[in-house]
Amino acid sequence: NAGVTQTPKFQVLKTGQSMTLQCAQDMNHEYMSWYRQDPGMGLRLIHYSVGAGITDQGEVPNGYNVSRSTTEDFPLRLLSAAPSQTSVYFCASSYHSFNSPLHFGNGTRLTVT
Amino acid sequence: TQLLEQSPQFLSIQEGENLTVYCNSSSVFSSLQWYRQEPGEGPVLLVTVVTGGEVKKLKRLTFQFGDARKDSSLHITAAQPGDTGLYLCAGAQYSGAGSYQLTFGKGTKLSVIP
Repeated sequence: NAGVTQTPKFQVLKTGQSMTLQCAQDMNHEYMSWYRQDPGMGLRLIHYSVGAGITDQGEVPNGYNVSRSTTEDFPLRLLSAAPSQTSVYFCASSYHSFNSPLHFGNGTRLTVT
Repeated sequence: TQLLEQSPQFLSIQEGENLTVYCNSSSVFSSLQWYRQEPGEGPVLLVTVVTGGEVKKLKRLTFQFGDARKDSSLHITAAQPGDTGLYLCAGAQYSGAGSYQLTFGKGTKLSVIP
C-alpha cells in the first residue's frame, strides 16, 4: 500500500519559474489537501478538494492553483515562483468526516532563489 | 490570531522524565487530533479525541480532551529517546456544505536526551 505519494522530494526554482508538485493517493479518499510548513508557522492549508471536480481555497491560496480531475490525483501548481514560496509542502488525504485522520505524504522541499 | 495555541514550543528533557504538552483555543472543536512528525517525513496520526472529557491512552502517552472541547493535553510518562519529534495538535471544525477543516497548532518540538 503506497498511501500518499509526493514528487519530487526536492526542487530548486528561480524566481518567476513555474512548476507542478504531484500528489497521488491509492486509498480512494474523497478529501485531499495541500499544506505548507514553515518554521514557527506550523502547517497552513493552501487548497483542498472534497471530491473530483471540486476544489476550494484554504488559508494561504495566493500564488497556487489546483485541480482535481480524478479521485487519486491532486497536483499543486506554482504559476510564477517567488522566494516567499520557499517551504516544505505536504499533500494529505482522508475520508471526509470530522474525525477522519489525515494521511500525509513525505513532503516536497522547495527552494526559490 | 492563532486558532490553536500549543505550548511549550520547545522542550528538552532527560530520558525517564515526564512531560505535558498543551493545546488551547477559545473555539469549540468537533474533534481534536494529535500527530507526531519526524524529520524528513509527514505527520503521522497518534490519536483522535471526540467527546468532551475523553481520555485515551497509547502506551506511555495519555491524551485528554477538555470538557468544553476547546483544549487538549498530551502527557508522556517516562520519556524515551524514541519519543523525540514534533508533536502537532489539530482541531476539526465544520466549515459548511458537509465540509470539515483541520486547523493545526504550531507544534511542540520535543528532544529526549539519553
